[in-house]
Amino acid sequence: DAKTTQPTSMDCAEGRAANLPCNHSTISGNEYVYWYRQIHSQGPQYIIHGLKNNETNEMASLIITEDRKSSTLILPHATLRDTAVYYCIVRPYNAGNMLTFGGGTRLMVKP
Amino acid sequence: GAVVSQHPSWVICKSGTSVKIECRSLDFQATTMFWYRQFPKQSLMLMATSNEGSKATYEQGVEKDKFLINHASLTLSTLTVTSAHPEDSSFYICSARDRGAPPNQPQHFGDGTRLSIL
Repeated sequence: DAKTTQPTSMDCAEGRAANLPCNHSTISGNEYVYWYRQIHSQGPQYIIHGLKNNETNEMASLIITEDRKSSTLILPHATLRDTAVYYCIVRPYNAGNMLTFGGGTRLMVKP
Repeated sequence: GAVVSQHPSWVICKSGTSVKIECRSLDFQATTMFWYRQFPKQSLMLMATSNEGSKATYEQGVEKDKFLINHASLTLSTLTVTSAHPEDSSFYICSARDRGAPPNQPQHFGDGTRLSIL
């Protein structure tokens, strides 16, 4: 699987948009970008995924650059409950479903 | 949405005890489930892939005789930590994907089991 690079930590003010970057410069054509988050002492929670088009759901938006070498997860109005570790993972379409977790970004939403 | 349930959520036991952790897919069938381990302030590390009706596949460095995995049905996988010792204390997490969903659909995770060995 392609390796991802994320900042170790980020802060965001409550109510503002949180923009979490992810670099995946070695991504292959059939690899999807997945975002999960892990709130303290819980299992990872799926947020969103995409291949090349931007995606939006009730939780977040995913912006993938045209060359697909990086992406940004956007939480439009961060709340204190969004404080978590956010993981960006790339995985081929038929990889057998295994996910490889990197270090992630620890997002701290502050009042 | 897809729900994965883990039980127990927390267990404390004495050294030498064997501990069983269950992972259930509540509203979908899963031919494959995954078991992860997470130490404090670290990321999730895949331990093994559980395959329904066949032997599990273990990652390098994970002792298969120590961590017994059984996937007897399409909705249940169990992880048994045999003769647990304090160094086995960790957060154990399972995940599963709906076998009827396209391959690009996401996995869903249980809420984890915190194991503390005294």
